[in-house]
Amino acid sequence: SYVLTQPPSVSVAPGKTATITCGGTNFGDYSVHWYQQKPGQAPVLVIHYDIDRPSGIPDRFSGSKSGNTATLTISRVEAGDEADYYCQVWDSSSGGVFGGGTQLTVL
Amino acid sequence: EAQMVESGGGVVQPGASLRLSCAVSGFTVSDHWMSWVRQAPGKGLEWVASIDQDGSEKDFADSVKGRFSISRDNAKNSLYLQMNSLSAEDTAIYYCATERTIFEIWGQGTTATVSS
Repeated sequence: SYVLTQPPSVSVAPGKTATITCGGTNFGDYSVHWYQQKPGQAPVLVIHYDIDRPSGIPDRFSGSKSGNTATLTISRVEAGDEADYYCQVWDSSSGGVFGGGTQLTVL
Repeated sequence: EAQMVESGGGVVQPGASLRLSCAVSGFTVSDHWMSWVRQAPGKGLEWVASIDQDGSEKDFADSVKGRFSISRDNAKNSLYLQMNSLSAEDTAIYYCATERTIFEIWGQGTTATVSS
């Protein structure tokens, strides 16, 4: 089955830039999507199709993909960005595949 | 405004069944693939199942294949998940979500607990 690998945790000071990575294989064949989940809430889509922001998502959130790594970048981090972040792809054999999630801590 | 409200969760014994529902408002469910995604306590997200616009195509995660079924009633703008032969490993918050390859809009979830 297809596997996505994320670091369990990332810490960043307010106002700085957070980068969360997502590793896979043959990433060129996949579109990567990113979700933010705050405690006790449902996930929210923050980046779709590798680099695009859905309507209503601040432009501090950006996505990129290079080789077998996708990256979610959050600029000028705020306390309200503290959350779990998940990457996701659709694999024709495995179906919907999520990374294990990264807990973002704002120091 | 698009809204999805799940219901039907509860506490059941191992081997029992549950039927979850997702009531949709603010958009026409018949225009979209629909999916269920779950999250076990303290764990990450796991895709469960998806169904196409008219119910003719369905996908299931290996972990639920043969035990869960997914259906929809477009006239009622609703989505369902029938869960049979439940085990402790199925304990989770179950979210309905729009689409399949990407999960664009999510409900708030309903909790299913399997415990003796």
